[in-house]
Amino acid sequence: QQQVRQSPQSLTVWEGETAILNCSYEDSTFNYFPWYQQFPGEGPALLISISSVSDKKEDGRFTIFFNKREKKLSLHITDSQPGDSATYFCAARTGGNNKLTFGQGTVLSVIP
Amino acid sequence: GPKVLQIPSHQIIDMGQMVTLNCDPVSNHLYFYWYKQILGQQMEFLVNFYNGKVMEKSKLFKDQFSVERPDGSYFTLKIQPTALEDSAVYFCASSPGWTQDTQYFGPGTRLLVL
Repeated sequence: QQQVRQSPQSLTVWEGETAILNCSYEDSTFNYFPWYQQFPGEGPALLISISSVSDKKEDGRFTIFFNKREKKLSLHITDSQPGDSATYFCAARTGGNNKLTFGQGTVLSVIP
Repeated sequence: GPKVLQIPSHQIIDMGQMVTLNCDPVSNHLYFYWYKQILGQQMEFLVNFYNGKVMEKSKLFKDQFSVERPDGSYFTLKIQPTALEDSAVYFCASSPGWTQDTQYFGPGTRLLVL
């Protein structure tokens, strides 16, 4: 049973477009949601995160939108660049616990 | 940013043998983790470790698995004996504190059990 689901599995956008990566979860006790970016041959690196008390978190071209009622969140990457081509993982964690539950990842390709 | 190193990057062994995966966490980090990713699947939590003790482990952390960090050296994951289903990428992570602290991941060790 997958606690965290991501869609689409892969996404291709043109340079300059906005990429939208989706994530949903089942466990209502999850209250912290980090997004990790992973390049081939490297480990995942924290990109941006949000807690369940917020509905939006912005950091430069990266924005998380969070809908607690629907247990959904999305990562928007505006003005996508070829250097953004990577695998993006949505993860979740409950309070008082440091165990991350990951989604399957979305492979993003940005075409110049 | 802070770097977590993992040694080796790849390991091929025969089923039944012992293997030790090594992790060099970020200095001054106190919490350490292992995650397992089978090809095509999501990364899954195995275990976390603090002050010389396992804090929490998942059902994937079989009796054949053990972790330790003797005297501040490498944080290790030992599998003895290995099984075919242990073939996966194993990611080590470390964090300075407990909740709300970023986990920094290493590049992974790709383990193939034949």
